[in-house]
Amino acid sequence: AQRVTQPEKLLSVFKGAPVELKCNYSYSGSPELFWYVQYSRQRLQLLLRHISRESIKGFTADLNKGETSFHLKKPFAQEEDSAMYYCALSPPRGFQKLVFGTGTRLLVSP
Amino acid sequence: GAVVSQHPSRVICKSGTSVKIECRSLDFQATTMFWYRQFPKQSLMLMATSNEGSKATYEQGVEKDKFLINHASLTLSTLTVTSAHPEDSSFYICSAWQGEWGVGQETQYFGPGTRLLVL
Repeated sequence: AQRVTQPEKLLSVFKGAPVELKCNYSYSGSPELFWYVQYSRQRLQLLLRHISRESIKGFTADLNKGETSFHLKKPFAQEEDSAMYYCALSPPRGFQKLVFGTGTRLLVSP
Repeated sequence: GAVVSQHPSRVICKSGTSVKIECRSLDFQATTMFWYRQFPKQSLMLMATSNEGSKATYEQGVEKDKFLINHASLTLSTLTVTSAHPEDSSFYICSAWQGEWGVGQETQYFGPGTRLLVL
């Protein structure tokens, strides 16, 4: 079964602290992995995807196939990073039928 | 960037009536659109995949006769909740797929969502 697990509903850190939002997945094969972000009163938007191997707004995510994880990291959190973060997967080379995790709310305090 | 709009943003209706929600890609053509449902404090659940000019593909457990999807053009998909009941109250979100197939740059752009309350 396809599943995405985000164990933390809320992650609260101080500005400048490192951040790691956990994501584990269950999939028979090699899915595409994504992180989506939803800032307050805004729509869901793509943050990054594993095949791009990019860093967006200082965030990176490494796919660990052995641990079936795709944790999102940032070395120094900023207040503007406060948002809801969703990890998602889709079948490889598919129509991006996304399966979402339950989301983690990141709160960065000054 | 690509923009997807939804209308209405909020709707309140009486039980037994039907409600239509529109999803539009404003500056690109989308052969594929997706409809999601989100309950409070829960994740987005894919309801169906809407393909222009063909029938929608529904996920398991989603009643196709209750949630009618029409993708009549490359920029518009509609979701009609028929004979709505209070348990249909939810946040409905659409997305539109853009990209060149197989290149690896395909992206889904999400609409702002429609909150439906059935009394």
